[in-house]
Amino acid sequence: NAGVTQTPKFRVLKTGQSMTLLCAQDMNHEYMYWYRQDPGMGLRLIHYSVGEGTTAKGEVPDGYNVSRLKKQNFLLGLESAAPSQTSVYFCASSYGQYNQPQHFGDGTRLSIL
Amino acid sequence: DAKTTQPNSMESNEEEPVHLPCNHSTISGTDYIHWYRQLPSQGPEYVIHGLTSNVNNRMASLAIAEDRKSSTLILHRATLRDAAVYYCILRDLRDGYNQGGKLIFGQGTELSVKP
Repeated sequence: NAGVTQTPKFRVLKTGQSMTLLCAQDMNHEYMYWYRQDPGMGLRLIHYSVGEGTTAKGEVPDGYNVSRLKKQNFLLGLESAAPSQTSVYFCASSYGQYNQPQHFGDGTRLSIL
Repeated sequence: DAKTTQPNSMESNEEEPVHLPCNHSTISGTDYIHWYRQLPSQGPEYVIHGLTSNVNNRMASLAIAEDRKSSTLILHRATLRDAAVYYCILRDLRDGYNQGGKLIFGQGTELSVKP
């Protein structure tokens, strides 16, 4: 009963390093999302995808890139990490219809020094 | 996007009902009302959603005002496990494919449950 799985769960980076966060879902969902959550705040949408091979920008896309080469995976990349990207990152997925619930992973806690 | 207003925090006693309010005075006719909650150190979890009529599921009930300018999430018997941040979110029917059905999170209401 995996649902949405995020890898890794924790990571510490130095400024300027790059890394990729992986999100995998086993529910055959069409839509996938990446959010970030800063302390004491609600989640903000970074990028999203409405199907394999398609991606779109969300509310705070700068400094991030994404790819959806396979339907079940959604990757979030940081090319040159900055301290302002220290946050908790959540991935979510849902069926195609707008009103379907989003299912979230448990998050990746990322610190950039 | 229409906005929602929720109290920052609420307290409840275990095994008592909890009524979590949400104001959305600028709601449009095509906005659905969704509720999610986020337990400590976890991702958000879907609770319930509705358009005009009251809704019930195994987790909670959603009461929607007749003019739809406010709604209330009802937990019938709070447990310690219900301590979480509860988010009231409006999702526009028209967003659909072009907007990806994104969720816009506000600050939410932090619910604490006392034994």
